[in-house]
Amino acid sequence: EAGVAQSPRYKIIEKRQSVAFWCNPISGHATLYWYQQILGQGPKLLIQFQNNGVVDDSQLPKDRFSAERLKGVDSTLKIQPAKLEDSAVYLCASSGGTRPEEQYFGPGTRLTVT
Amino acid sequence: GQQLNQSPQSMFIQEGEDVSMNCTSSSIFNTWLWYKQDPGEGPVLLIALYKAGELTSNGRLTAQFGITRKDSFLNISASIPSDVGIYFCVRLGAGGTSYGKLTFGQGTILTVHP
Repeated sequence: EAGVAQSPRYKIIEKRQSVAFWCNPISGHATLYWYQQILGQGPKLLIQFQNNGVVDDSQLPKDRFSAERLKGVDSTLKIQPAKLEDSAVYLCASSGGTRPEEQYFGPGTRLTVT
Repeated sequence: GQQLNQSPQSMFIQEGEDVSMNCTSSSIFNTWLWYKQDPGEGPVLLIALYKAGELTSNGRLTAQFGITRKDSFLNISASIPSDVGIYFCVRLGAGGTSYGKLTFGQGTILTVHP
């Protein structure tokens, strides 16, 4: 079974530029999550989708971050405009719903904002 | 909000040694999870604990859910180089919009010297 795919793996941009990350979850997984992991910290949930609907986006900085999962499969996370403090690893995860405690994470996208 | 305190923050050990790390919370948990993050990868679920006093093993790993429901420990016996990584204790959201939401501690970084 293929795991969660993310691209790109690395991205370097200047502040005030825009960036987008892509995630393809495990086939059949209805729930998709985006996490932000700042260096030295644990991942922090940004947004949770159930199929193509948003379940929780309370921690998403909506003035600059947006995410969509239009067809209930893959998802994109966008930052516009980026700030220096957005430098982090952005992790995508998915779960099948029967065991919400077991989320399958992708390798992440490491973003550096200069 | 939920506060998870992991200790120690980092550990440097020799191959073959046993390791112990723990996690405390300011509030009661219903489910304790332990995840491991290998360098450059996303976290992976190691062990899930569902009731106070529960002791669960997964190979060389053993974890316990504290009687007070406010703490948990993880032990690794006879460490090997591939045990290197960051170990996170994690809270699982139980209901409402928190259902399925993972809240990570700050992690314990483990380094194993051959």
